[in-house]
Amino acid sequence: AQSVAQPEDQVNVAEGNPLTVKCTYSVSGNPYLFWYVQYPNRGLQFLLKYITGDNLVKGSYGFEAEFNKSQTSFHLKKPSALVSDSALYFCAVSDRNTGFQKLVFGTGTRLLVSP
Amino acid sequence: DSGVTQTPKHLITATGQRVTLRCSPRSGDLSVYWYQQSLDQGLQFLIQYYNGEERAKGNILERFSAQQFPDLHSELNLSSLELGDSALYFCASSVGTGLSDLEQYFGPGTRLTVT
Repeated sequence: AQSVAQPEDQVNVAEGNPLTVKCTYSVSGNPYLFWYVQYPNRGLQFLLKYITGDNLVKGSYGFEAEFNKSQTSFHLKKPSALVSDSALYFCAVSDRNTGFQKLVFGTGTRLLVSP
Repeated sequence: DSGVTQTPKHLITATGQRVTLRCSPRSGDLSVYWYQQSLDQGLQFLIQYYNGEERAKGNILERFSAQQFPDLHSELNLSSLELGDSALYFCASSVGTGLSDLEQYFGPGTRLTVT
């Protein structure tokens, strides 16, 4: 069965510093990987996805993620954090075997960027 | 604003009752997804419809049902409600079902409280 692990409930970073939000996954086939962000009282917003190809994926708002097949990881990164990046971040996975639109989400990581 | 609308925003009802949640997808999107977000179970995929037909099923209880109408809006029906059904219910939509259509656009959610 597919699963996603986000090992940190919360990540704290100072504005201007680089940030990393971790995600590891488990699927039976080739993974399709996603990051979504949720602001308070809002729905989830798509940030980026990995389907195939280049392991470094660039997305919205300056975020990027690196797919590492050997470590089964898909960590979200940003070179310079903004206070407005503070939100709840979800990693999700799907695969062709179970239906590539059937997303399995992690438990979420709260990112807190301090001024 | 994702372009996905959900009504109502909030719903308070008693145990044993039945409610209907409504979702209108983004203009042009043919796929609709329903998710449940709760503190104890996280964000869980319930069901997907594509152009009026059920496409994928997740952890959806038998007391829950959904449908997608010819105008592509969707309704999620929850019956014999229990306290544990209290959650935020999200609808999402995507263009289609292909690999190029994997981004899902989420609505603001309906917060259901069962008392």
